[in-house]
Amino acid sequence: EPEVTQTPSHQVTQMGQEVILRCVPISNHLYFYWYRQILGQKVEFLVSFYNNEISEKSEIFDDQFSVERPDGSNFTLKIRSTKLEDSAMYFCASSLDRHSNQPQHFGDGTRLSIL
Amino acid sequence: QQQVKQSPQSLIVQKGGISIINCAYENTAFDYFPWYQQFPGKGPALLIAIRPDVSEKKEGRFTISFNKSAKQFSLHIMDSQPGDSATYFCAASKGGSEKLVFGKGTKLTVNP
Repeated sequence: EPEVTQTPSHQVTQMGQEVILRCVPISNHLYFYWYRQILGQKVEFLVSFYNNEISEKSEIFDDQFSVERPDGSNFTLKIRSTKLEDSAMYFCASSLDRHSNQPQHFGDGTRLSIL
Repeated sequence: QQQVKQSPQSLIVQKGGISIINCAYENTAFDYFPWYQQFPGKGPALLIAIRPDVSEKKEGRFTISFNKSAKQFSLHIMDSQPGDSATYFCAASKGGSEKLVFGKGTKLTVNP
């Protein structure tokens, strides 16, 4: 079964540094998402992306965050200047279509630890 | 209005028993209600989903019950197995939005 793959599985970064989290969505999917899960808390939506532009974003997704699809397969989340509170598990997801009857498939996440 | 409230936070069930997890929502614009299962170190995986035009959906041992007037939906796991031990999240989204709004999760432990 096709999978969403994320790299790295664990990223440790000094506060203030830039970090890029990478995702390879399922190949025929058109919609891409980032969510985060702070330890012990619920999964929170960050951003959705379609046709090379952001289609929806949450209040968490401020100017420090950006997303990009640099080529035909990768989808990245960049945090420009990391803060301690950015420590979380970040999940990438993709779906075939935007309509809610097309399920979002999640990767296994990148654990981001900010020191 | 955007919240989905999930209970209980944790649940311990004996093998063969029924596990029941409940969720409630406020926003009547929500029209898609999936349940996700998450094992440690893994991402959430879609288990089963329902739309508000039906009151129940069953897939194998998993059943979603949906009460539109009460704005509640629940997951029932029949004949619970130790392999079902995981964290379960309910979620909701509304037409025209890709955003999934998740509940806080329920950690299910099924004892052998």
